[in-house]
Parts: sequence; structure tokens; C-alpha cells
Amino acid sequence: GAVVSQHPSRVICKSGTSVKIECRSLDFQATTMFWYRQFPKKSLMLMATSNEGSKATYEQGVEKDKFLINHASLTLSTLTVTSAHPEDSSFYICSARIREAFFGQGTRLTVV
Amino acid sequence: DAKTTQPNSMESNEEEPVHLPCNHSTISGTDYIHWYRQLPSQGPEYVIHGLTSNVNNRMASLAIAEDRKSSTLILHRATLRDAAVYYCIPSEDTGKLIFGQGTTLQVKP
Repeated sequence: GAVVSQHPSRVICKSGTSVKIECRSLDFQATTMFWYRQFPKKSLMLMATSNEGSKATYEQGVEKDKFLINHASLTLSTLTVTSAHPEDSSFYICSARIREAFFGQGTRLTVV
Repeated sequence: DAKTTQPNSMESNEEEPVHLPCNHSTISGTDYIHWYRQLPSQGPEYVIHGLTSNVNNRMASLAIAEDRKSSTLILHRATLRDAAVYYCIPSEDTGKLIFGQGTTLQVKP
């Protein structure tokens, strides 16, 4: 089946720094990808829809200047958490759909 | 987005069938019913989806009520590897998936 690869799987960064997370569709082209975050024991919360060649669409309450999304090619979307704070620590997951959705393995971000 | 209601948790014994219910009374006529599951510390994985007719695949079966306001995911023989959070999501064929709280399935040996 189709594969979505996410990198890195784990990252620790200092407060105030920026972190980039990559999401790649390995064997299909994805004009649209989706970014989620998940807190412990909670469900996935959709953050934004990443659109190839155009601006991302952010869900209500998500700061677009803090969570920068770039979808420069049909197989790569990136999420950059800027000026990270400890409250940004979370599990970030990307996905892409053909008909069913394929999810990356997730990135555990810890901000210290 | 259609609202879903699922039990918070369910338990099953290994090798026995499991029926996971989902209510989606506000589903639109064009929404498919998707099921995904998430194992701890992993991204979700696709289980099955359907529109009106019951569906079977190698992982599970999906029984859809005639009025489409509810559905049931059936795992025919639960294994320990089936312990996960199961999400029922009404959605169009493409586009974003909105996750509810899901059902945490525990499988006892």
C-alpha cells in the first residue's frame, strides 16, 4: 500500500528555536496533505491542510505564523514550529489521501 | 462535519469477535463511513470504509445501518495486536478527516 514517511520521529529542542518536520508521500503524488497534533490520551486535532503550490489552510485557533507549512512539491510537505515553547510539545502527525488516508509515523516534539 | 458517538472503551477476549459501534446520525448523503485505528505512539492506519452496503476486507467487516445513521466495525477474531483506539469518521471521498474521541479496545489474553 501507499506509504507516507515522516521525519524525524523524535526531536528535542530548546525554547525559542525552530523545528522542521518533513512529510513525504513515497509512492504517490499528493496535492494535499494534512497536519495533526495529538496530546497524550487525546484524539488527533487537525491543524491545517497543506496545498501544493499554494498557501496552507489553517483550522480555527491555529496560529499560522507559529506553524509554518510549505508544500513545495507533490511529494513533500513541511511543518516548521517557530519559536518553540514547552506548550508546543506534542505528537505531530501528517497524512495524505488517495481515497483512504495514509499517515506518517508521527513526530514526538519535546521543547525544553 | 458529522458528529460521531462511540463508546469510550471496550474489552474483548483474544480470539473472540468484537463489535465496535458508532452513531453518526448527522451524516450527509455523500459521506463515506471510514474507520481508522491507532496503536500507541503511531500514526493511525486505515481499517475499512463503506457508503451504504456492508463491506469486508482482510482486516475487518463493516456493517452499515439501512438509514446510515450508525455502523458497526466487526473484528472477527480479536488478537492482542488489535488493541488500539478505533475511530469512526464520516467523510467525503477526499479531503480532511476530523477525528472524534474514538473507542479504546482492550484485548485480554
